[in-house]
Parts: sequence; structure tokens; C-alpha cells
Amino acid sequence: GAGVSQSPSNKVTEKGKDVELRCDPISGHTALYWYRQSLGQGLEFLIYFQGNSAPDKSGLPSDRFSAERTGGSVSTLTIQRTQQEDSAVYLCASSFIASYNEQFFGPGTRLTVL
Amino acid sequence: SQELEQSPQSLIVQEGKNLTINCTSSKTLYGLYWYKQKYGEGLIFLMMLQKGGEEKSHEKITAKLDEKKQQSSLHITASQPSHAGIYLCGADDVDTGRRALTFGSGTRLQVQP
Repeated sequence: GAGVSQSPSNKVTEKGKDVELRCDPISGHTALYWYRQSLGQGLEFLIYFQGNSAPDKSGLPSDRFSAERTGGSVSTLTIQRTQQEDSAVYLCASSFIASYNEQFFGPGTRLTVL
Repeated sequence: SQELEQSPQSLIVQEGKNLTINCTSSKTLYGLYWYKQKYGEGLIFLMMLQKGGEEKSHEKITAKLDEKKQQSSLHITASQPSHAGIYLCGADDVDTGRRALTFGSGTRLQVQP
């Protein structure tokens, strides 16, 4: 497919477990973003990757959250020791370059922590 | 940091009616994006505005950025049920240099047949 894909689409986990969320950006896009959308709230920036530069992690809410991007393409967002407040839809987006460019969003992963 | 306020928070209109959604920024906008989101789906890009006074249209949706570049409006003409969803405005966060968008809290639109 030509769009941004994310997996899984839904994830239910128990409190304290680790989870990994995957994002496949559009081929050729050098910028990749992770956002979180909690119930009743807007989109919250988490982390952004641009090419080979160091990622901007300034939006990560705690050290339980981490992300990596392998080979400048696929990205994995990892949440360790999940808490109930981590329940949200996690959205990934990509663009050709950062700033002043349309970001293409994936369908999101709905995470539920019981 | 930059903040975006959208109004109204929710809107219910009859099919065929026109409507306007507003997005106001606490700081000058250098790139303003409108997205639409349907439940359980990702965001669909609608339009991007950069220049003061700029106006863009796509089908029955028109977006404008005011001359002072601190407010944008999204206008839908002759609304249809397919227009229902959450409309989000996003802006480049030039203040922090963060290369990700800051979003408003969204406007939930329902169109009644």
C-alpha cells in the first residue's frame, strides 16, 4: 500500500506489561512522527525522527516510553510497564521533510491497558 | 508554547446547511493545516495555508488564513453526511523549533439527514 501503516490496530494489555507498536511510513519519507490521542483530548506529540539526525524526544511523557527507527524506515514505539493512563490511540505520521509539509497519518493503534 | 483553540467544540447541522469552524492561535502561524478524522481512523489531510489572507478550496470545503496569520476558518457549504467527523487544525510549532505539529482539540461535526 502507498499509505502509512500501523500494527497492531488494537492492543489490549495488562498493567505492568511491555508493548511494542509498529509504524511503516510511506517510502521515501524522511520524517516520522509519533502522536498520542487520549479520550477527550487532542493530539499530543511524542517523538519525531528526521533522517539520520538524533530524534526529538521532548514529547515523551516518561522514561517508560522509547522509540527507535531502523534503517530510516520502520519505527517501533515501546512502552514499558504500561499503566492505565497509557490507554490511548497512538498515531504515526510521515512526511518528505520536517516542517511546512503535509504529514500523512496512519490509522493508529488503539491501546487499552487493563 | 503555541496553543490552538478551536470553536465550536461540537456542531450538529442539518444536511444542506453551511457551517464554519474556527481555529485561533496564541502566536503567529507559519503553517496551518486542516485535517479530518473519522472514528477509529487516522487523520486525512484537507488543506495547508501559509500566507496571510490565503484561501483554498476543495470541493465544498474552503479554508482561510487571516491577514494577521493568527486565525483560520474552515467553511463547509451545503453540508452532507459524509462531512461528519472531527476536524482538527494543526500548526508548525515554530516557537519551540519542534518539528511536529501542535493541534487544537478538535471540532466534532454531525450532519443530520
